[in-house]
Amino acid sequence: NAGVTQTPKFQVLKTGQSMTLQCAQDMNHEYMSWYRQDPGMGLRLIHYSVGAGITDQGEVPNGYNVSRSTTEDFPLRLLSAAPSQTSVYFCASSRTGFLYNSPLHFGNGTRLTVT
Amino acid sequence: SQQGEEDPQALSIQEGENATMNCSYKTSINNLQWYRQNSGRGLVHLILIRSNEREKHSGRLRVTLDTSKKSSSLLITASRAADTASYFCATDAPGGSEKLVFGKGTKLTVNP
Repeated sequence: NAGVTQTPKFQVLKTGQSMTLQCAQDMNHEYMSWYRQDPGMGLRLIHYSVGAGITDQGEVPNGYNVSRSTTEDFPLRLLSAAPSQTSVYFCASSRTGFLYNSPLHFGNGTRLTVT
Repeated sequence: SQQGEEDPQALSIQEGENATMNCSYKTSINNLQWYRQNSGRGLVHLILIRSNEREKHSGRLRVTLDTSKKSSSLLITASRAADTASYFCATDAPGGSEKLVFGKGTKLTVNP
């Protein structure tokens, strides 16, 4: 049982480049989300989805797009990378969107550097 | 916007000692969760406590919740070197149970 799989593990981009961070889960979870983790800032929510075809913004959505065409996949797109997007990105999923009832399962992260 | 704030930011203890971490939050919540993060890895869920619960146990972990003080504590008893990690509290965000908001974490070091 793989759980939540994120690819790639590491990525270096130049300013202005675009890329997609992949996230897949094999637990048939309805809820998926993306966080970024910066030193001294904890984790901040970027976007989330409560089911296929439904996405919504979190705390820091600017510069990122998401889509949820299947239950399993929730890719995060950086449209035009900026140095401020240098961070560690975590994808997490949960059985339902009622997070008071079901905890998050995290992937191991993608470490992104934008030069 | 940060909902939960952990205290202390860093804690260093000897193996066998107990470790206590605190979390304070600002608005009413449905639940509070604690997660652990080993260096370079994703977060792992430890325990969830609902707003109508006061205390929960899981193995060597004990979590308390005081909604009147808007605070929670995580106690790890008889700590081991393998408990070295960062610990985060998370609460549902104001206005929605679909958003989990994390604090900045407590970095725990357990010395052998």
